[in-house]
Amino acid sequence: KAGVTQTPRYLIKTRGQQVTLSCSPISGHRSVSWYQQTPGQGLQFLFEYFSETQRNKGNFPGRFSGRQFSNSRSEMNVSTLELGDSALYLCASSYGLAGSYEQYFGPGTRLTVT
Amino acid sequence: DAKTTQPTSMDCAEGRAANLPCNHSTISGNEYVYWYRQIHSQGPQYIIHGLKNNETNEMASLIITEDRKSSTLILPHATLRDTAVYYCIVRGSGGGADGLTFGKGTHLIIQP
Repeated sequence: KAGVTQTPRYLIKTRGQQVTLSCSPISGHRSVSWYQQTPGQGLQFLFEYFSETQRNKGNFPGRFSGRQFSNSRSEMNVSTLELGDSALYLCASSYGLAGSYEQYFGPGTRLTVT
Repeated sequence: DAKTTQPTSMDCAEGRAANLPCNHSTISGNEYVYWYRQIHSQGPQYIIHGLKNNETNEMASLIITEDRKSSTLILPHATLRDTAVYYCIVRGSGGGADGLTFGKGTHLIIQP
């Protein structure tokens, strides 16, 4: 069974721009969660989508948003990019809600904001 | 979710068993212990989880003390590819609103 895939793997953007990242979960998984990883803050939870609905949300500003499609694929959008948004963005899929099932992570998208 | 405490780093010789401890003294009755690892610049990888009984899979064994206040992840025959940061996470069934909470983890270094 194919793992979680994320596109693109690497991205360079300029301050003020916006970016959209994509995540395809493992086949049959209905939950997708997004995380941000930086050297200073470690892994931080952004949000979780299940059945096209946002179920949980971390403590990030409204510039960070997401959505999930009927095939469970998910996108994350960051608007008005700031230098501090440079990070590795990880998505993870699970069969059901992440609180009850183990999560499987993708390789991440490395975003650099200049 | 309960807080966990892990050593910052550990060394282990290749071929030996690596035993990674985790303290979770405030764990409550419905909280599971999960272990993940992250190899440099890759996404975290699920290893194993358990509630109160010891668990074993193809990757590792998880030993949870009877009072559930601590646990040990055992990699039976460590290889160089097991060098990674290992995270012990306590999570309630049904989860919380904050996703998985990753602490600093233990940096396990397998020595040849």
